[in-house]
Amino acid sequence: KNQVEQSPQSLIILEGKNCTLQCNYTVSPFSNLRWYKQDTGRGPVSLTIMTFSENTKSNGRYTATLDADTKQSSLHITASQLSDSASYICVVSSMDTGRRALTFGSGTRLQVQP
Amino acid sequence: GAGVSQSPRYKVAKRGQDVALRCDPISGHVSLFWYQQALGQGPEFLTYFQNEAQLDKSGLPSDRFFAERPEGSVSTLKIQRTQQEDSAVYLCASSLEEPIHTQYFGPGTRLTVL
Repeated sequence: KNQVEQSPQSLIILEGKNCTLQCNYTVSPFSNLRWYKQDTGRGPVSLTIMTFSENTKSNGRYTATLDADTKQSSLHITASQLSDSASYICVVSSMDTGRRALTFGSGTRLQVQP
Repeated sequence: GAGVSQSPRYKVAKRGQDVALRCDPISGHVSLFWYQQALGQGPEFLTYFQNEAQLDKSGLPSDRFFAERPEGSVSTLKIQRTQQEDSAVYLCASSLEEPIHTQYFGPGTRLTVL
């Protein structure tokens, strides 16, 4: 069964600090991996999309890494801001005989405190 | 508007009632997805359209759930004889074309079944 596990479940950091969120997956066949940011009461917003051949991708203060061999990804947030407080969701896409499936993690809830 | 819109934003239904949730995707987006998100969890895939064709409905939890996109743009998710376990946020997302393009999510409809 395709699964996406995220850790930690929740995280509290002080404004200005860095943090790293983890995502492990068992999805096959792999198509791409996405990180989304979801503010409370809003729909998820895409941060990055990475395919099998991409090891790292940045979007401003967000940097995602992908190790397709170990099936692990991380999202690093640099110099955190109060507005970074949100849930961060890892999503892995697979393509199996023409049927595309997305498997979502449960998310990491990040709280940035002043 | 430029984004995905959903209506209503909030819906309270009595158990046994039928409900219809509407999604207006971004103009020109071929792919449309419906997700169900329980409190504190990541979204769970329900169904996927490419234009008017429903290519994957494997995530629909029961035959009380029905989705349509008759003209390849607006989509409606209908839930018949609602049950308390149907209470969740229903998210709609659209993209230019899968599998690689970014999905843009709507704000969701929060359904509460009493």
